[in-house]
Amino acid sequence: TQLLEQSPQFLSIQEGENLTVYCNSSSVFSSLQWYRQEPGEGPVLLVTVVTGGEVKKLKRLTFQFGDARKDSSLHITAAQPGDTGLYLCAGTGANNLFFGTGTRLTVIP
Amino acid sequence: EAQVTQNPRYLITVTGKKLTVTCSQNMNHEYMSWYRQDPGLGLRQIYYSMNVEVTDKGDVPEGYKVSRKEKRNFPLILESPSPNQTSLYFCASSFSGRATEAFFGQGTRLTVV
Repeated sequence: TQLLEQSPQFLSIQEGENLTVYCNSSSVFSSLQWYRQEPGEGPVLLVTVVTGGEVKKLKRLTFQFGDARKDSSLHITAAQPGDTGLYLCAGTGANNLFFGTGTRLTVIP
Repeated sequence: EAQVTQNPRYLITVTGKKLTVTCSQNMNHEYMSWYRQDPGLGLRQIYYSMNVEVTDKGDVPEGYKVSRKEKRNFPLILESPSPNQTSLYFCASSFSGRATEAFFGQGTRLTVV
């Protein structure tokens, strides 16, 4: 099992604030994905990062893959209530996805 | 509409009573998998299938069975459920098991009493 630790586990912020979520592992992954899960639903893919050092932007969300391909971060600028949800990172193995422990974000209006 | 459909959404059962959770996808994906989601533990893979008649264990396979007789269907079978299998279960499909997007069903909340 390849473990992915996410921090923080819980995050509650005011609308308009910035935040960063971290995903760390001792294992190297060929790529890393970020998903968002809302209550009563399955996770939905936000982004896939493939190259070490890669940065991808999705509107107010910025994703970075670490140079050594062991870690990743998700930065949200000017958070909005619609960003509320469970954020999951997932590293790709030979035949599997290995999910992180998740960060539950609440954005308070 | 591309989707993964799980049934039932909610299930309460008693210890030892065999049950099956169905999963079907309409995207012609080769790869399908089952996960369980528990607080603080994230999503843990139970079983996966890379193609018809090909299945393999994930991280937490004990107490579960699967079959892949058709490409679109991947049922999860609990032969003798126990309370520690109370969890939220997700089926997912993807083009392959690698860096391709995984599409998830809406989940099945199982309670074993």
